[in-house]
Amino acid sequence: EAGVAQSPRYKIIEKRQSVAFWCNPISGHATLYWYQQILGQGPKLLIQFQNNGVVDDSQLPKDRFSAERLKGVDSTLKIQPAKLEDSAVYLCASSSGSFHIDTQYFGPGTRLTVL
Amino acid sequence: EDQVTQSPEALRLQEGESSSLNCSYTVSGLRGLFWYRQDPGKGPEFLFTLYSAGEEKEKERLKATLTKKESFLHITAPKPEDSATYLCAVPPRTGGGNKLTFGTGTQLKVEL
Repeated sequence: EAGVAQSPRYKIIEKRQSVAFWCNPISGHATLYWYQQILGQGPKLLIQFQNNGVVDDSQLPKDRFSAERLKGVDSTLKIQPAKLEDSAVYLCASSSGSFHIDTQYFGPGTRLTVL
Repeated sequence: EDQVTQSPEALRLQEGESSSLNCSYTVSGLRGLFWYRQDPGKGPEFLFTLYSAGEEKEKERLKATLTKKESFLHITAPKPEDSATYLCAVPPRTGGGNKLTFGTGTQLKVEL
């Protein structure tokens, strides 16, 4: 079974530029998550989708971050404009959405460096 | 706000030297606790889910246990390939979807 796919794996941009990350979840998984992992810290949830609806985006900096999951499958996370403190690994995860407590499976992440 | 604290931050073991990693949490009414392994440059890899105090799960040299206030990840006779960062995480008590709150991890290094 194919895992969670993410691209690109690495991205380097200047501050105030924009960037987009793409995620394709495990086939059939209804729930998709975007996490931010700053070096030396655990992942922090940015946004959770159930199919194509947002369940939780309470920690998403909405003035600069946006995310969508059209058609309830793959998803895009965008940062515009980027700040130095956005340098981190952006992890996408998915879960089946069928159980009360779902196991989340993570992709390899996109390492973003903002200069 | 739910909190998860892991200790130690880093641990260096000799091959075959058993030890335990700790994960303490403050969330009341725990619905589950997850352990993940993360290798450098990779996403977290699922290891275990524990649901209730007294529960234990094993996988190769790893055994996870759960009490009402903390979880332990016991590593028996570790090998260099067990070197990684081990993360624990908990979902919220109620609502909030399935958002996981992660600890900062324990970085394990196993040397020959």
